Amino acid sequence: LAKTTQPISMDSYEGQEVNITCSHNNIATNDYITWYQQFPSQGPRFIIQGYKTKVTNEVASLFIPADRKSSTLSLPRVSLSDTAVYYCLVGPKNAGNNRKLIWGLGTSLAVNP
Amino acid sequence: ETGVTQTPRHLVMGMTNKKSLKCEQHLGHNAMYWYKQSAKKPLELMFVYNFKEQTENNSVPSRFSPECPNSSHLFLHLHTLQPEDSALYLCASSQEAPAVLGYTFGSGTRLTVV
Repeated sequence: LAKTTQPISMDSYEGQEVNITCSHNNIATNDYITWYQQFPSQGPRFIIQGYKTKVTNEVASLFIPADRKSSTLSLPRVSLSDTAVYYCLVGPKNAGNNRKLIWGLGTSLAVNP
Repeated sequence: ETGVTQTPRHLVMGMTNKKSLKCEQHLGHNAMYWYKQSAKKPLELMFVYNFKEQTENNSVPSRFSPECPNSSHLFLHLHTLQPEDSALYLCASSQEAPAVLGYTFGSGTRLTVV
């Protein structure tokens, strides 16, 4: 089972770039890395997913080094509305695998004015 | 409506009450899930349904009883709950189970057991 480790909390200011790193030392060959965002009293929302190198979408970038033992979610120019908890999740992409997906406590990001 | 809809948003119930949580997804997904989220704890997967069949029950007490009449609807029947069952109950769906990709969560039901 791939366990993930993230910082408990981070602080930033509006307009800054925020990088949240997740450690997953025992990631398996067929595991993907997925990040979710959660606002209070809402369910988590998918942000980005990747397998290796770099992935970018309209919301964030995901950097994954060659050994895949960690990953970094990069949020460019954060705003107050980016204040949320961010979860890193590691697990298989395809069906047919009964491995349990483990959610960590996430990283609570506070964006200050 | 689109996405995953959960009702009610808030629920207060006594320990002797019987209530049900409802979840509906309009995404054409084949898998649905119940998660429990308590303060300062990771999300806990409770039940998984894939093509209407329950495929996972993670040692959930019998006072929680799921029901999946079709791929679009999921219920969680509650009876004789304990105060420690107070939490945010989240429903999610995905194309199929298990999946890291493509979880779509509802906004949850905030349950308080008194």
